[in-house]
Formats: sequence, structure tokens, C-alpha cells
Amino acid sequence: EAQVTQNPRYLITVTGKKLTVTCSQNMNHEYMSWYRQDPGLGLRQIYYSMNVEVTDKGDVPEGYKVSRKEKRNFPLILESPSPNQTSLYFCASSLRQVDGYTFGSGTRLTVV
Amino acid sequence: GEDVEQSLFLSVREGDSSVINCTYTDSSSTYLYWYKQEPGAGLQLLTYIFSNMDMKQDQRLTVLLNKKDKHLSLRIADTQTGDSAIYFCAPVAPDTGRRALTFGSGTRLQVQP
Repeated sequence: EAQVTQNPRYLITVTGKKLTVTCSQNMNHEYMSWYRQDPGLGLRQIYYSMNVEVTDKGDVPEGYKVSRKEKRNFPLILESPSPNQTSLYFCASSLRQVDGYTFGSGTRLTVV
Repeated sequence: GEDVEQSLFLSVREGDSSVINCTYTDSSSTYLYWYKQEPGAGLQLLTYIFSNMDMKQDQRLTVLLNKKDKHLSLRIADTQTGDSAIYFCAPVAPDTGRRALTFGSGTRLQVQP
């Protein structure tokens, strides 16, 4: 089944403890992106990647890192999480712009 | 940058038609998507319209685009309880590589039996 898989689905962590949210797609999509969803703000793009080893900032990149060492994986790294990064995170991938995006099921992160 | 506005809530009775409206600001938007988000799930692409179209119909879904007013609407015919979800419109500018979708806050559709 074609899909975007994120892990974990839920995560509670403490301020400053590094964490990684994994994202993997099995559709051979070149393009991948991370979004965060907050009440009243909709979804905002954090980072995106057009291909292997090509990444760039979205609208809200501060406090996040990404890497794209292989086409299928696009992990989101929080080196020193803070409570304002408590949010619902979505990974997405696409082949062509006209195809829209395939989204993962989301990762709900709470930083205390 | 692009701003997208949607009303926050819509309640309809099962069997009625639902109309969800969206306004956007970037006239260069080339594709305009509609996504559906069910509780605890990711976003599912429902349909889309190209900016050079006025209308697109896809089974129970009809998308209308008024480019002059930058207004997009999604009509769901014969609305069912399974249509209860949050609906997002998301315009996207010409492909510069970033392909950032700009989402509004979403419209929560509640379908009453």
C-alpha cells in the first residue's frame, strides 16, 4: 500500500532532550515536506526536500533540523525541544505538484 | 505571502448539500486543493482545480473557482455523516520547488443525522 509512515504517533518529552521523528514513504517520491498543525493557525511548512541531499527551510524552521540521505526517509530532528514546539506534526510527499501530497497520520508531540 | 480564510464551522443535516467557502490572496496560485482531515488522521486529498478552470465536478463534490474575487468553494451533495471532518483549502503557487501549500484554519463540518 502506498503510504507515508511517521513514528512515533505520540510522544511526550522534556525540554532540551533531543528527539527525532521519522518519516518514510514507499512511493519513490522525490519531494517531501514537514508541516506542523496548531489550533487556529492551520498547517505551516517547517522544511522541505526536493531530492536526496537537497533540503530547504519552510515558513517556521527555527528549532528544527532535517536530513535527506535517502529518497524514502526524511526525519525531523529537534535538537533541544521547547514547550512552544508542542504540536501535531505531519510529513508529506509528492511526485508532481498536480498530484497534491500524500500525508502521514501525524505525530502528536508534547514538550513539558 | 498567501493568506487563506475559511469559516470555522458548518453544520448541516444528513442528505442536505454543504458548501464550504474559502478566500485566498495570491492571484498567481496555479492549483487549489481541497483536503479532508478526519479525527486522529492525516490529510486526505479530496479534489483540486486548476486556476484556468471555473468549475470541476467529481461525483458528489463540486468545486467552483472565482479567480477575479479569489474565492473557492466546495459543494458536497447529499452530505453523509461520514463527511463530518475538517476541510482545508490550500492554494499553491507556481512550482518553484518549494511547493508549499498554504492552509487556512479549516472548516469543521458537522453532519447531523
